[in-house]
Amino acid sequence: DAGITQSPRHKVTETGTPVTLRCHQTENHRYMYWYRQDPGHGLRLIHYSYGVKDTDKGEVSDGYSVSRSKTEDFLLTLESATSSQTSVYFCAIREWQANTGELFFGEGSRLTVL
Amino acid sequence: DQQVKQNSPSLSVQEGRISILNCDYTNSMFDYFLWYKKYPAEGPTFLISISSIKDKNEDGRFTVFLNKSAKHLSLHIVPSQPGDSAVYFCAAHGGATNKLIFGTGTLLAVQP
Repeated sequence: DAGITQSPRHKVTETGTPVTLRCHQTENHRYMYWYRQDPGHGLRLIHYSYGVKDTDKGEVSDGYSVSRSKTEDFLLTLESATSSQTSVYFCAIREWQANTGELFFGEGSRLTVL
Repeated sequence: DQQVKQNSPSLSVQEGRISILNCDYTNSMFDYFLWYKKYPAEGPTFLISISSIKDKNEDGRFTVFLNKSAKHLSLHIVPSQPGDSAVYFCAAHGGATNKLIFGTGTLLAVQP
């Protein structure tokens, strides 16, 4: 199993509060990704990182920010959570040599915004 | 604009029969296609992939077929087993973009 852990695994919060999800890897992989999974939408890319302090937007980045100050940690922040951000969030990692694009996913973080 | 599409939200098959899951894409620059399997409350796991220069890749009970002219790929599972019941995501990788674009998923139910 890829060494990737997400925290917290479950969180309930209120609209307007800030939330930070953490992804930690022990594989020393260069690429890290945040996806959200919603019924009818599949997995959609929020942000990704291709190195320390190097990040880029995905297809649903509005309302989210990320930071990567260390190779092993990739943080996803919702500055002011909204009910539309209720979702299951998955972190994923990829070796830079993996030109197939294959990703290894974490177990997911279920976020409920009331 | 959905670049990777799975038009069947669900599929039900009998144990021992063939399951065929379909996927269509719009971007001709995709160079690899992947299938992921997801059980409830778990992260997606990689199942099988195919390069855009191939038209078939087989791994045990799983075979992926690629039809580039139709921008279509399919995953065949033979024989289907109850443990195959899961959501299957098709995904495409676009070379230099470093992104993996997923479809909406198909829920496969294999009936004993």
